[in-house]
Amino acid sequence: EPEVTQTPSHQVTQMGQEVILRCVPISNHLYFYWYRQILGQKVEFLVSFYNNEISEKSEIFDDQFSVERPDGSNFTLKIRSTKLEDSAMYFCASKVGEDTQYFGPGTRLTVL
Amino acid sequence: QKEVEQDPGPLSVPEGAIVSLNCTYSNSAFQYFMWYRQYSRKGPELLMYTYSSGNKEDGRFTAQVDKSSKYISLFIRDSQPSDSATYLCAMSFNSGNTPLVFGKGTRLSVIA
Repeated sequence: EPEVTQTPSHQVTQMGQEVILRCVPISNHLYFYWYRQILGQKVEFLVSFYNNEISEKSEIFDDQFSVERPDGSNFTLKIRSTKLEDSAMYFCASKVGEDTQYFGPGTRLTVL
Repeated sequence: QKEVEQDPGPLSVPEGAIVSLNCTYSNSAFQYFMWYRQYSRKGPELLMYTYSSGNKEDGRFTAQVDKSSKYISLFIRDSQPSDSATYLCAMSFNSGNTPLVFGKGTRLSVIA
């Protein structure tokens, strides 16, 4: 069964450093999303992406964040200058048409 | 008022019990409802997806939606220790390219 994959599974970085989180959505999916989940908190929407541009973003998704689909398979989330409060699980999701979203296993980001 | 409310539990039941998990929401514009299962430090896994009031059954799982009361439920029959996980309700305004809004999740333990 096709699934969303994410790398790395765990990323440790120093505050102020740039990180890139990578996702490979399900191959025939057209809509892509990033969510995050701070430990003990709700899963929160960050950004949606369709047709090579951002469709919608939340207030969390400020100028420190960017997304890109550099080729036909990868979908990346970049955080330019990480802060302690960026420590969270980051989930990529994808969907096709009117189906619901399917989530990857997540990347645990730890900012020291 | 929070958009989606979900009792975080924890909920502990004996094996074989019927489990009832619930969410309430405040925005009547939500039309699509999902239940995800999340194991510790893993991504949300889709269990049920429905958009109409009433019941939808899939094996041991039944999703119930009452739009007039803004209340959704997930019932698990003959619960198993492998059902031990956090159950997240999620909802969206339409079936298109729209973010999911999650509840905080209910942590369930099924004791053998």
